[in-house]
Order: sequence, then structure tokens, then C-alpha cells
Amino acid sequence: GNSVTQMEGPVTLSEEAFLTINCTYTATGYPSLFWYVQYPGEGLQLLLKATKADDKGSNKGFEATYRKETTSFHLEKGSVQVSDSAVYFCALTRAAGNKLTFGGGTRVLVKP
Amino acid sequence: NAGVMQNPRHLVRRRGQEARLRCSPMKGHSHVYWYRQLPEEGLKFMVYLQKENIIDESGMPKERFSAEFPKEGPSILRIQQVVRGDSAAYFCASSPLGGGGYNEQFFGPGTRLTVL
Repeated sequence: GNSVTQMEGPVTLSEEAFLTINCTYTATGYPSLFWYVQYPGEGLQLLLKATKADDKGSNKGFEATYRKETTSFHLEKGSVQVSDSAVYFCALTRAAGNKLTFGGGTRVLVKP
Repeated sequence: NAGVMQNPRHLVRRRGQEARLRCSPMKGHSHVYWYRQLPEEGLKFMVYLQKENIIDESGMPKERFSAEFPKEGPSILRIQQVVRGDSAAYFCASSPLGGGGYNEQFFGPGTRLTVL
């Protein structure tokens, strides 16, 4: 079956530091890949996505590249802010209208 | 355009009671998904519905849990005879009808169920 593995947190950083959250997946065929962010007490918001190999998703300074050869979709941001403190989830779906399979989430805490 | 709405936001039940969670999808969306987030864990898929149809319920526990999405009104996730292990955040997501490719799922704020 499909699965997503992401690095465990918490990840604690200082403001303006570089952030990387690793994500690898197992799936048949060509899944679409996503990063969602969950701020405290809220639902999930789509941060970025990529639907085919070598696509790069980007939003709000975050980037992730769909690497089929390594089955990875690592999230990066060059300079984090306190407001980036949240839980980040990597996810995949195999087809349109299909369920999302999530990783366990990585809590990120950015200190001023 | 209002987002996905869920109510109640917080629900407290005693063991053995019933819990009803409601989800109103975004306007124009006819696909609804329910996910459960146990404490300190990721979200796990429960069920996928379209209007009046259950499309995929592979993530639903075999007993006590049911879901519906009637022609009129919100989608309902119903948990009968709740147990402490049902305590979790339940998220609903909706996506627009049809088309090829990926239809983004938009998430509601969740209902946090606490079973005493």
C-alpha cells in the first residue's frame, strides 16, 4: 500500500535559519505529492504540491522538488520566521478524487 | 466563498454516548472526506463520500462508526457508544466535482472529540 515517512520532530530553529524536513514515500505508479501545514488549533492548509516527477512546488518561501529516483519530496525554506512555527505534513494521493495518505507530521518551533 | 465548516468545534461525551460530527463542504463541492488525527499522530483517512453515496470506507472502523452525505444538508460522521480511544480530532475535507487530474482537498477546522 501507499505510505509516507517524514522526519520526526520537534525541530527547533532560530529565526532566519535554514529549514529542511525530509519526506520519502512508497507508492505504485505516479502519485501527486503535497505539503500541508497545521497551525495550533487549526485545520490543515495546503502549502505546496507537485504532480509529476521533477516538478517543484513553491509557496511562501517554501520549496519541495518531486524526486522520483529517490522517492522523496523534502521541504526546504531558506530563512524561517517565528510565524512558521507549526506542524508540517507530507502527503500523497494516487488519483484524482482519491484519499490522501499522510506522514506522521513534523513539529517545527522557530525561536526569535 | 465560505470555507469548509465543521461543528461543533469541541465535543465532550461520556463513554457509551453517541457523537455526531457535521461537515458542510465548500459551495460547489460534492466530494467529502473524513480524516481522524489521534494525539501526536498524522491524519488517517476514514471515508470518502459523494452526495448520497459512500465511495470508499476502507478507513472506517468496522463497528460503531458510520457516515452519510445526504442530498440536502451536511455530511455527518456518527460514532455510537463512544470509548476513550475515540478521543481525537476529526477533520473533514471537500473537493470540487469531477475533472481529470488532481482536485485539491480543502480542510475544515476540525472537531475535537473528548470522551470522558
